[in-house]
Amino acid sequence: AQKVTQAQTEISVVEKEDVTLDCVYETRDTTYYLFWYKQPPSGELVFLIRRNSFDEQNEISGRYSWNFQKSTSSFNFTITASQVVDSAVYFCGGRNYGGSQGNLIFGKGTKLSVKP
Amino acid sequence: DSGVTQTPKHLITATGQRVTLRCSPRSGDLSVYWYQQSLDQGLQFLIQYYNGEERAKGNILERFSAQQFPDLHSELNLSSLELGDSALYFCASSGTGANSSPLHFGNGTRLTVT
Repeated sequence: AQKVTQAQTEISVVEKEDVTLDCVYETRDTTYYLFWYKQPPSGELVFLIRRNSFDEQNEISGRYSWNFQKSTSSFNFTITASQVVDSAVYFCGGRNYGGSQGNLIFGKGTKLSVKP
Repeated sequence: DSGVTQTPKHLITATGQRVTLRCSPRSGDLSVYWYQQSLDQGLQFLIQYYNGEERAKGNILERFSAQQFPDLHSELNLSSLELGDSALYFCASSGTGANSSPLHFGNGTRLTVT
């Protein structure tokens, strides 16, 4: 069965610092999809990004960037110049290509606190 | 706004009771998923429906059941409620149900069992 590990339970930074959230996805499948979601204090789950396992290109969107390395099954998320509005719980998720194992499972989440 | 609507937002009920949570997926999405978020278990996948048919089951208790109706809305029924069922229940939808599709989540229903 697949497993998502987010080793950092909580991270606290001061505004404008860069911060990286770690995620490791373990699976026997060679084709899979990885996701990041944000859960702000208001509680909703907001989709941020999806990455295919066969695409190792890094992606940047504004202050957000993602680094996927298939060799280590890691899909890390970096926020550059963090802001107070980035304070949230961030969930990494993984989903295998097909079959009954294809459901999206999540890590335990990393709670990010950005202080002014 | 994800386009996924969940009602009610909050539900308070007593042990032993039965409740129904409702979800309307994004327009055009055929696949609906239910997740439970609790402090100790995190986000747990419960069940998936695709165009009215059950597609996958996760850690769903036998006391829980779900269905997806012809208009694609879905309901999650929780019965014989226990204190430990208190949690935030999310519904999500995706277009085709393909595993590459991101899930778009509703705002959740917070269930409190007293």
